[in-house]
Amino acid sequence: EAGVVQSPRYKIIEKKQPVAFWCNPISGHNTLYWYRQNLGQGPELLIRYENEEAVDDSQLPKDRFSAERLKGVDSTLKIQPAELGDSAVYLCASSPRLPALDTQYFGPGTRLTVL
Amino acid sequence: GQSLEQPSEVTAVEGAIVQINCTYQTSGFYGLSWYQQHDGGAPTFLSYNGLDGLEETGRFSSFLSRSDSYGYLLLQELQMKDSASYFCAVKRETNAGKSTFGDGTTLTVKP
Repeated sequence: EAGVVQSPRYKIIEKKQPVAFWCNPISGHNTLYWYRQNLGQGPELLIRYENEEAVDDSQLPKDRFSAERLKGVDSTLKIQPAELGDSAVYLCASSPRLPALDTQYFGPGTRLTVL
Repeated sequence: GQSLEQPSEVTAVEGAIVQINCTYQTSGFYGLSWYQQHDGGAPTFLSYNGLDGLEETGRFSSFLSRSDSYGYLLLQELQMKDSASYFCAVKRETNAGKSTFGDGTTLTVKP
């Protein structure tokens, strides 16, 4: 079974530039999450989707961040414009509907550096 | 607000046993998970406690005490490959959503 796929793995941009990250979850997983992980900290939830519906985006900085999951499968997270403080690893995770445990399957992440 | 506390660093030798503690204060609690993350890698699920007590999975065990808002991850027969960061995460809703992660404990295993 293929895991969660993310691209790109690394991205370096200058501040004020736009950037987009892509995620393809594990096949059949209804729930998709985007997290941001700063160095030395745990993942912080940005947005959670149930199929194509964003059910929790309370932590998403909506002035510059946007996300979509149009067909309830893959998803894109965008930042426009990027700021220096956005440098972090952006993790995508997925989980099946009503998992028996609290299991989230994470992708390898995109390491963003804003110069 | 939500807060999870875990030690920032732990060091142990190969073959030893180490315990990583996690205390939490959250609004809503359904269970405690543990994830492992190697440097530059993705967090991977280790265990979940929805009820008080001990859950054992091979060399790893996890414990939960709801009344004490406390849990721990126990790693036995430590191996060099266990050097990684370990995160506790509180599940705050019945669905998988609403999980709050701690800042992680960096475990260094020495020969």
